[in-house]
Amino acid sequence: GAVVSQHPSRVICKSGTSVKIECRSLDFQATTMFWYRQFPKQSLMLMATSNEGSKATYEQGVEKDKFLINHASLTLSTLTVTSAHPEDSSFYICSAKEAGRDTGELFFGEGSRLTVL
Amino acid sequence: GQNIDQPTEMTATEGAIVQINCTYQTSGFNGLFWYQQHAGEAPTFLSYNVLDGLEEKGRFSSFLSRSKGYSYLLLKELQMKDSASYLCAVRDSNYQLIWGAGTKLIIKP
Repeated sequence: GAVVSQHPSRVICKSGTSVKIECRSLDFQATTMFWYRQFPKQSLMLMATSNEGSKATYEQGVEKDKFLINHASLTLSTLTVTSAHPEDSSFYICSAKEAGRDTGELFFGEGSRLTVL
Repeated sequence: GQNIDQPTEMTATEGAIVQINCTYQTSGFNGLFWYQQHAGEAPTFLSYNVLDGLEEKGRFSSFLSRSKGYSYLLLKELQMKDSASYLCAVRDSNYQLIWGAGTKLIIKP
């Protein structure tokens, strides 16, 4: 089956630093990847839709200058949390949609838990 | 606005059957999904319904009624490992996924 790998799974950083999270589709091409944020006991909140070779589409209320998304290839999207603050601490999850296949199923990465001190 | 409702928490006994309901009001409809999410992990796909009726997959079944804006996930022969959150999501007319808040299912021996 389709596998999405997300790295790192856990990261702790100091306030003011930037953190990059990678999302890779290992055995399929993903023209579209999605980045979510999830707070404890809450559902997934879509942050942005990342399309290969073009700018990401951000959801309302998500700061695009703070959450930089790059989708440079059909198998890799990155989310960079710039100048992180404690309130950015959260579980970040990516998912990918397989190119040319529309069963609707999304393949999720393992998630990345960010803790900002 | 778009809205998906599902119970916050449910409790069931090992070996029993449980039904998790989901009602939705969305701008258009292009399919309903159920995902399972264990604490601290990413969601995993369970089922996809786009036509009315029941889809069965092993111990799990999912039902859809588009006219009622209603779906349920049925879990049979419950096992302790089924303790998780179950997320209902609907794909709207823009092919955007709208997520429910999830139902935390607690299985007791």
